[in-house]
Parts: sequence; C-alpha cells; structure tokens
Amino acid sequence: GEDVEQSLFLSVREGDSSVINCTYTDSSSTYLYWYKQEPGAGLQLLTYIFSNMDMKQDQRLTVLLNKKDKHLSLRIADTQTGDSAIYFCADSDGSSYKLIFGSGTRLLVRP
Amino acid sequence: GAVVSQHPSRVICKSGTSVKIECRSLDFQATTMFWYRQFPKQSLMLMATSNEGSKATYEQGVEKDKFLINHASLTLSTLTVTSAHPEDSSFYICSAATQGEVTEAFFGQGTRLTVV
Repeated sequence: GEDVEQSLFLSVREGDSSVINCTYTDSSSTYLYWYKQEPGAGLQLLTYIFSNMDMKQDQRLTVLLNKKDKHLSLRIADTQTGDSAIYFCADSDGSSYKLIFGSGTRLLVRP
Repeated sequence: GAVVSQHPSRVICKSGTSVKIECRSLDFQATTMFWYRQFPKQSLMLMATSNEGSKATYEQGVEKDKFLINHASLTLSTLTVTSAHPEDSSFYICSAATQGEVTEAFFGQGTRLTVV
C-alpha cells in the first residue's frame, strides 16, 4: 500500500534553517502537504504543493519536490522557538481526498 | 483558513460506557469528513471516511460496530466509541475536506479519550 516516511527527530539552533525530509511511494500522488502539530492540538495545514511543481515558497517556508525520487522537503528559514512542533507530510491521490500521513518529524529549536 | 471545531477536547469515561465526539465545520460545508486516531508519538491512522448522507467507509482493521460514525449534515459528523475499553484510550482527530481542485483538509483540535 501507500507509504510515507519521515525522519523522527531534528534539532536546530534558533535562527538556523531547518530541513525536514519526506519520501513517499504513491506515484499517483497529486498533492503533497505539510502539517504542523503542536502538543495536544490538532493539525495545522502549513502549505501544499501540486505534483507538477518542483518548488513552492511561502514566506519562511520552502517546499521542494523531486517527483522522480518521490522526495519532498520542507525548509524553514530563520527557525524560531515557536516552530518547535511535530511536522507531518502527507499525500493524497486526488481521487479520494484521503490523506496518507508520514510518522511525523519532531523539530526542536534550541535557543 | 476554514475552522473545524471538535468537542469535547478531553473526556474520561468508565469501561463499558459509550462516548460521542462531535466534529463541526464552522464556516464551510464539508462533503467529506475523516476520523483519525493518533497513538502517542505516532502518526495519524485513518479510521474512516464519511460522506454526508451515506454510510462511512472504514479502513481495514477498524471495527465499524465499535466506532459508529454519523454524518447527518454537511457541517456535522460524530464518532461514537461504543462500549469503550482502556485500549481505546487515544487521541482522536477529525478533519473536514472542502470540495475543489485541491484537497484542503482542515483539522479539529482533537479529543483526548481516556477510558478507566
């Protein structure tokens, strides 16, 4: 079945850039998403990218998509302590609205 | 973005009782709602997909008689955990999807269920 994988943990210093990586297996993915989850809370949609794009920038966030390698990344520039959270990537095949989530990457931002 | 309200945020219940969790889309109509379960430090597991006015579609391994889903209107879906047991303790999250070119799914705040 479809699978989405992420590294579990990332620690960066405040002000540095963070790069969170994700790989997926579904070749029919049409949209790929990044969600942020703060402790005890639901998920907040950060950004998404259409599969025919290779890059999308939204303020401090840059999403890179390598469709050939099925690799997605989220770069957070000038990472702040408020960015500490769990980040999930997810894909959807576009036909069913179902999202398949990765395991989440816990980002810790050190002062 | 659109707002999805989930209630209650926390609930503690006794074994054998049933618990109902509500998920409302506040400022849009959601033709499709999803229910997820999240175990500690793990990802979200899709439990079921519900479409307004029809029966929910459950993922493999999810007991439909235990997790009753009702999607009575375009703004409300409910998940009832029947005859709850301690192993049902978990974080349950709903999401509501807008119909359009992009699958935008907006998530509720989640419900922490503890069965004692």
